[in-house]
Amino acid sequence: SAVISQKPSRDICQRGTSLTIQCQVDSQVTMMFWYRQQPGQSLTLIATANQGSEATYESGFVIDKFPISRPNLTFSTLTVSNMSPEDSSIYLCSVVYQTDSYEQYFGPGTRLTVT
Amino acid sequence: GQSLEQPSEVTAVEGAIVQINCTYQTSGFYGLSWYQQHDGGAPTFLSYNALDGLEETGRFSSFLSRSDSYGYLLLQELQMKDSASYFCAVRDGGSSGSARQLTFGSGTQLTVLP
Repeated sequence: SAVISQKPSRDICQRGTSLTIQCQVDSQVTMMFWYRQQPGQSLTLIATANQGSEATYESGFVIDKFPISRPNLTFSTLTVSNMSPEDSSIYLCSVVYQTDSYEQYFGPGTRLTVT
Repeated sequence: GQSLEQPSEVTAVEGAIVQINCTYQTSGFYGLSWYQQHDGGAPTFLSYNALDGLEETGRFSSFLSRSDSYGYLLLQELQMKDSASYFCAVRDGGSSGSARQLTFGSGTQLTVLP
């Protein structure tokens, strides 16, 4: 099974600041994704992190607000910029290991509270 | 756009059988997945159906009918530890057209009573 770690596990931030969340995977993966989940709600895909190129964002999410980096096949970061209380959520990293695999593994999540 | 519907809550007793249904409307359908998520935990993969029919994995089975845009997760011999949220998710290509992107349903909270 996958070993995915995220840092920080939780944080409380002030409005207007930015937070960078890190996702580290135990081995090389073909695809990495970032999701957002409000407690008790569904998961919403923010973007696909592409190695060596700009991330692919879903409708409603933009690079200026959620810049993403993926410098190699085992690591990615998501930054939540200029935060507002509406950004309070759980942010999850997810990976697919092999090109022909349909199984996605999820990290433990980062619980963000914006005051 | 894409949409998935599943019941918000299901309650059953230990040892019983429960079925969680999922209907979907999407373009570019590749398959239907099911994920389990315990409170405070990460979603974990349960099953995947790309073709019509029933897939069985231990106490859990998953069914897909592509013509009806419908699937279900069947949990047998329920145990207390099965209390969790269950999400159906379709692989539909998303904005980038990737066959590996998932769109999740709203989730079904299963409560197993003693």
